[in-house]
Amino acid sequence: DSGVTQTPKHLITATGQRVTLRCSPRSGDLSVYWYQQSLDQGLQFLIQYYNGEERAKGNILERFSAQQFPDLHSELNLSSLELGDSALYFCASSVGLGGDGYEQYFGPGTRLTVT
Amino acid sequence: QQQVKQSPQSLIVQKGGISIINCAYENTAFDYFPWYQQFPGKGPALLIAIRPDVSEKKEGRFTISFNKSAKQFSLHIMDSQPGDSATYFCAATVLSSNYQLIWGAGTKLIIKP
Repeated sequence: DSGVTQTPKHLITATGQRVTLRCSPRSGDLSVYWYQQSLDQGLQFLIQYYNGEERAKGNILERFSAQQFPDLHSELNLSSLELGDSALYFCASSVGLGGDGYEQYFGPGTRLTVT
Repeated sequence: QQQVKQSPQSLIVQKGGISIINCAYENTAFDYFPWYQQFPGKGPALLIAIRPDVSEKKEGRFTISFNKSAKQFSLHIMDSQPGDSATYFCAATVLSSNYQLIWGAGTKLIIKP
């Protein structure tokens, strides 16, 4: 158990809908990362937050957005869902931005199925 | 220049054999090279990592070999076991920066009993 929690574990929704995925980082970790992993694919970095502020953006679609709240949990919002958005979405956390806090710990993921 | 190229895409090894996965990079600023292990339906978990000031790091049956001049690093799994069957990802980053990991594409390893 990495200490990172994600809810829900599974999510089934229809095209055009909007969903919110939630992540709670490990205690003490200030940085949260979101990744997308399609079937048998590698990890695609979406976005990173550090202590409530956006710090880096990867291949995140305009239909997707995220935020990190004062209690450090993060939410990833996916809207106008398409079939191709079906994937595993992982959250990871680390202590800091780099240096001593360099290890990323991953949550168990949320499996999103768009029908 | 930001890419990390990982090979092979898939690998089948007999139980007890040595599994070898390779990664290559271009950005000479990278100074942290972790390997992650992912079982089906689970999140990736850090397996072992190396800094470029050493050429090899061993943890149990897992060894990272690092060749700075060739800009390559590899994961060796000795005495491979069926429980090692998983997808392995290499990654790289610059620790002093924003710690955004640059990921390899992954290697699906199957250990045959």
